[in-house]
Amino acid sequence: GAGVSQSPSNKVTEKGKDVELRCDPISGHTALYWYRQSLGQGLEFLIYFQGNSAPDKSGLPSDRFSAERTGGSVSTLTIQRTQQEDSAVYLCASSWTLGQGYEQYFGPGTRLTVT
Amino acid sequence: LAKTTQPISMDSYEGQEVNITCSHNNIATNDYITWYQQFPSQGPRFIIQGYKTKVTNEVASLFIPADRKSSTLSLPRVSLSDTAVYYCLVAPNTGFQKLVFGTGTRLLVSP
Repeated sequence: GAGVSQSPSNKVTEKGKDVELRCDPISGHTALYWYRQSLGQGLEFLIYFQGNSAPDKSGLPSDRFSAERTGGSVSTLTIQRTQQEDSAVYLCASSWTLGQGYEQYFGPGTRLTVT
Repeated sequence: LAKTTQPISMDSYEGQEVNITCSHNNIATNDYITWYQQFPSQGPRFIIQGYKTKVTNEVASLFIPADRKSSTLSLPRVSLSDTAVYYCLVAPNTGFQKLVFGTGTRLLVSP
């Protein structure tokens, strides 16, 4: 079946502009996660959604970052007033339920470059 | 979350067995050990998970000693396509926790 998809695959934007990154999780997965990976680094957790519960936003680096998940499926990560340090690969993952071995299925990522 | 330590990089040749060890001295009773693999320009992919002793699947084996303070991912007869970054994670299997991937082990398989 279809895996996690993300769009766009690449995004170049000017400093100060807003960007929206989209994630389509695997159908039926109730949990959705956003991570950020800077060049040569591990993954940094950003935010997590579980069903219709309030998201865990504790990983968001600043109030310029926000995310929503509509209808328990598609999610959008928004970065306002982008800065050069926001340049990274943004990865989305989904899983069936909490604690199912933490087998998270990742998308290919969106590479964001802020010039 | 329990902190993990693994080698930054490893080199191997095709056909050899590769063992990557991860230390997690502060592992908690309800923590599981999970390994992910990441190829360039792709998201990580789940490889294997275990709690104790040995777990084997079609891709790898995971060895966990009785004290669970370390674990070893074993890749049998690696090929060039196993060149990737391998991440060891420790987290409870109930309730959500922020997953900390660390910088992983970069495995390079040569001909």
